[in-house]
Amino acid sequence: NAGVMQNPRHLVRRRGQEARLRCSPMKGHSHVYWYRQLPEEGLKFMVYLQKENIIDESGMPKERFSAEFPKEGPSILRIQQVVRGDSAAYFCASSPGGSYAYGYTFGSGTRLTVV
Amino acid sequence: RKEVEQDPGPFNVPEGATVAFNCTYSNSASQSFFWYRQDCRKEPKLLMSVYSSGNEDGRFTAQLNRASQYISLLIRDSKLSDSATYLCVVPMDTGRRALTFGSGTRLQVQP
Repeated sequence: NAGVMQNPRHLVRRRGQEARLRCSPMKGHSHVYWYRQLPEEGLKFMVYLQKENIIDESGMPKERFSAEFPKEGPSILRIQQVVRGDSAAYFCASSPGGSYAYGYTFGSGTRLTVV
Repeated sequence: RKEVEQDPGPFNVPEGATVAFNCTYSNSASQSFFWYRQDCRKEPKLLMSVYSSGNEDGRFTAQLNRASQYISLLIRDSKLSDSATYLCVVPMDTGRRALTFGSGTRLQVQP
């Protein structure tokens, strides 16, 4: 079991470019959560998705950010027109069945640096 | 009240010491609680789950006080390898189906 796979591990983008972060959940998990961790801060919830559905996007910034989890393939967190304030570690977690009863398993994260 | 509050520390303790962290939460309906450990620039990893009054796993003991809405983590016989940030995690407020992470308490165990 390969665990939660995130790529790329590091991503550098110039201001105004687009960033695409990918997350493949653990085998058998169909629920994905994205969290952002700004430097020296805690993890902040962004979005919770099931296959082909956004369940809770209450933590997503209103503009420039979007997420999807298609029927086939990884979940994608997309940030358009990146700004320096988007520089952060983005962690994806997965769980079976949408229950947090057993906690989440996180991927190694994608560290986005906007220059 | 914040959903989850933790003392950021740092807690600097010598090897072999016993150290305890507290965490308070706002969602009185929460049933599941967790402690995660996060090493510098790494992903959080599940340390312990807390479902009833508490849980013990080796040198680690987690306790839950529902009346006062706080959770504690006790580490006995601290090791250098315990140095990390410890995150208190609770379900989000009613109607939302994800976990809220505290900002973490940093522990530094010194030789």
